[in-house]
Amino acid sequence: SSELTQDPAVSVALGQTVKITCQGDSLGSYYANWYQQKAGQAPVLVIYGRNIRPSGIPDRFSGSTSGNTASLTITGAQAEDEAEYYCNSRDNSGDHVVFGGGTKLTVL
Amino acid sequence: QVHLMQSGAEVKKPGSSVRVSCKASGDTSSDYAISWVRQAPGQGLEWMGGIIPIFGTVNYAQKFQGRLTFTADESTSSVYMELRSLKSEDTAIYYCARIPAHSTSSHLYDFWGHGTLVTVSS
Repeated sequence: SSELTQDPAVSVALGQTVKITCQGDSLGSYYANWYQQKAGQAPVLVIYGRNIRPSGIPDRFSGSTSGNTASLTITGAQAEDEAEYYCNSRDNSGDHVVFGGGTKLTVL
Repeated sequence: QVHLMQSGAEVKKPGSSVRVSCKASGDTSSDYAISWVRQAPGQGLEWMGGIIPIFGTVNYAQKFQGRLTFTADESTSSVYMELRSLKSEDTAIYYCARIPAHSTSSHLYDFWGHGTLVTVSS
């Protein structure tokens, strides 16, 4: 098994740029995918693969990877971006899936 | 668009079993798998495993081996998650999520169900 580590909480001023990170050994082999979960709702996929946004996801969301760290960047954060963000990936064996602990984003 | 409809909330006694269903509708072919992810109150997401409905291929997280079973009914585009020997720690929202490929170990979930709250309490 392997773990993905995220900062528990991050804040950003309205309209500013924020980067949410996800660190783990398996990210050297597998991309991280990113999910947004607003209070009381199911998660929503916001970034997957190298840096792909599903239909309907604003282009202010982007993803990147450097070594064992994946990042989700929101350029020009909006009030509606306030949510919990989770990364996931496969574990080192490639057979199972792991989630990061989540990052609570507050937009000030 | 794909819609995943899950069964309703359940309240169970410790030691009993629960079965949650997930029915796919909309723009679906058979080229998908379903993963189950749960979320305890105030906690993060936890992967439980996955199933390829057309083949019945399953993959379970080690933590649940022996008390978790996924099944599928292709005729109704439904999958089922049964968790046995329930404990209070199993109290959580259980989500099904679609994998747009024939892979039980993929971590790409493009559509999610609304979640089913399972409460385990004596």
